[in-house]
Amino acid sequence: DTGVSQNPRHKITKRGQNVTFRCDPISEHNRLYWYRQTLGQGPEFLTYFQNEAQLEKSRLLSDRFSAERPKGSFSTLEIQRTEQGDSAMYLCASSFLQGSNTEAFFGQGTRLTVV
Amino acid sequence: GNSVTQMEGPVTLSEEAFLTINCTYTATGYPSLFWYVQYPGEGLQLLLKATKADDKGSNKGFEATYRKETTSFHLEKGSVQVSDSAVYFCALSLNQAGTALIFGKGTTLSVSS
Repeated sequence: DTGVSQNPRHKITKRGQNVTFRCDPISEHNRLYWYRQTLGQGPEFLTYFQNEAQLEKSRLLSDRFSAERPKGSFSTLEIQRTEQGDSAMYLCASSFLQGSNTEAFFGQGTRLTVV
Repeated sequence: GNSVTQMEGPVTLSEEAFLTINCTYTATGYPSLFWYVQYPGEGLQLLLKATKADDKGSNKGFEATYRKETTSFHLEKGSVQVSDSAVYFCALSLNQAGTALIFGKGTTLSVSS
């Protein structure tokens, strides 16, 4: 399967702990996005990369959140000092920018539960 | 600001019924419009899209027409199946470098046989 892969699929952590999620995009895709989805809501944009450069960050991305894409391939999203409000599904998506084509392909997500 | 509004669900239909899920948007510029579907236990999948006014996107019997005059992109299907049961998300993307998808809250569709 050459789709977007996210690990882990589920993560339970205690409040105050740090967590890190990984996303492996479709190999030829130059754009990678992170979204957060809470129950009953649509995905909300967090940040995106074009190759290794982080080009945009949402106001939702507090100082406790950091994302990297060091070699323009996989990406990590770290949450420091987790809070219960961080509990959500974290989605990764990738796309290949060509003209105005912005079709994104999504992974299955990492579900974070902060207890 | 830019936003997407979908009709609230859940929508409950019998098999072979006609489906409409309303979606309206507010956007600066000229967005592309999308419908994504999330089947139980699976990730979001692109269902269809339209990139300019009056375009019709279609896939798997679903259709949606980009209506600039009413800022709408309603999803329709003439005859739903049980396998169409899922959550449907309307979304927009501004045709500019660096813009991500803006989603509606989603509409749950449940089809019974």
